[in-house]
Amino acid sequence: GAVVSQHPSWVICKSGTSVKIECRSLDFQATTMFWYRQFPKQSLMLMATSNEGSKATYEQGVEKDKFLINHASLTLSTLTVTSAHPEDSSFYICSARADRGAKNIQYFGAGTRLSVL
Amino acid sequence: AQSVTQPDIHITVSEGASLELRCNYSYGATPYLFWYVQSPGQGLQLLLKYFSGDTLVQGIKGFEAEFKRSQSSFNLRKPSVHWSDAAEYFCAVRGVGNDYKLSFGAGTTVTVRA
Repeated sequence: GAVVSQHPSWVICKSGTSVKIECRSLDFQATTMFWYRQFPKQSLMLMATSNEGSKATYEQGVEKDKFLINHASLTLSTLTVTSAHPEDSSFYICSARADRGAKNIQYFGAGTRLSVL
Repeated sequence: AQSVTQPDIHITVSEGASLELRCNYSYGATPYLFWYVQSPGQGLQLLLKYFSGDTLVQGIKGFEAEFKRSQSSFNLRKPSVHWSDAAEYFCAVRGVGNDYKLSFGAGTTVTVRA
């Protein structure tokens, strides 16, 4: 099956620093990747849709300058949380949409737990 | 826009008993439907999906789901639950157009007691 790798799985940083999270599709190409945020005991909230070679599309209420998304290749998207603050602490999950075959399926990474001190 | 409702926040079931998780959706046509499972601290794993055709779909880990158009439902079932099935279960829906966004339900936490 399709595999999506997300790195790091857990990161702790100081307030004011920036953190980069990587999302890679290991065995398929993905022109579209998605970034979600999940609060404890809650569902996934879509933050943005990442399209290879173009600007990401952000959901309403998500600060694009705070959450920088880059999708430079067909297998890699990155989310950078800039000037992180404690309220940015959360579980971030990426997914990738396979372009061939099961093109309507999103495959998810294992998530990144961000703790901002 | 589509939406998903999972009426049950938490279900406790005995090991070996059957399990049914409810999912209702709102959409103007027949959407694409998915069930995902999330273990603590992990990402989401696809259990099964419905695009079209046979309304009873089989998935991994012994799960199945039935699409009922008349009830706008896509309930997940498993005949005999194992302790390893304890997890969070999410129903998701996406439209059939070019908008590939998934809308997730709030999730149902399944606890399995010995």
